[in-house]
Amino acid sequence: EVQLVESGGDLVQAGGSLRLSCAASGFTFRSYAMNWVRQAPGKGLAWVSYISGSGATMEYADSVKGRFTISRDNAKNSLFLLMNSLRDEDTAVYYCARANFYSGYGEFDYWGQGALVTVSS
Amino acid sequence: EIVLTQSPGTLSLSPGERATLSCRASQSVTSNYLVWYQQKPGQAPRLLIYGASSRATGIPDRFSGSGSGTDFTLTISRLEPEDFAMYYCQQSGSSRTFGQGTKVEVK
Repeated sequence: EVQLVESGGDLVQAGGSLRLSCAASGFTFRSYAMNWVRQAPGKGLAWVSYISGSGATMEYADSVKGRFTISRDNAKNSLFLLMNSLRDEDTAVYYCARANFYSGYGEFDYWGQGALVTVSS
Repeated sequence: EIVLTQSPGTLSLSPGERATLSCRASQSVTSNYLVWYQQKPGQAPRLLIYGASSRATGIPDRFSGSGSGTDFTLTISRLEPEDFAMYYCQQSGSSRTFGQGTKVEVK
């Protein structure tokens, strides 16, 4: 059974840093690209970042470029998001999601339960 | 960046009725890289449709997707009580963006 479990969500002051983790199990982690998606309270979904299966390719939404860094440890089946210079508008539930390119479309077929990040000013 | 606009914002229907949700892209979505998700309060999104029209594993056949280019539709043929939720479209042909969502609520 595929499982994605986020951790590391917390209350942090504006300007601070936080590192989210996502532990993956039930599939060959290195064979799948991964993403972070966030959802501000009462708002819709917003894509944050992408990393290829090997970790060689990363992409970011403009809103987080230069502040957030995505990475992965394929030996430990783990995905990370390092968030620096946090702002009020980064307050959200952060989901990790697997991208299934084997279908040909890269849809997000499995999601974690989410980790809440609250930025206070 | 491709902007996805979903309409209507809210759809008020009764169980058994047909729901038609629209997703319009600001430019053509490459190779129909258009996906639909369902989300219920307090839960993670659930994949429904990928490639504009292919149902994900375990999704009932009352859900169907159609469209190409810039205009896409999610249709729920007969609403079941568990279908009342938020629905989001997403494109992954040029980076990745989500629509703002359509809420399907009980009339």
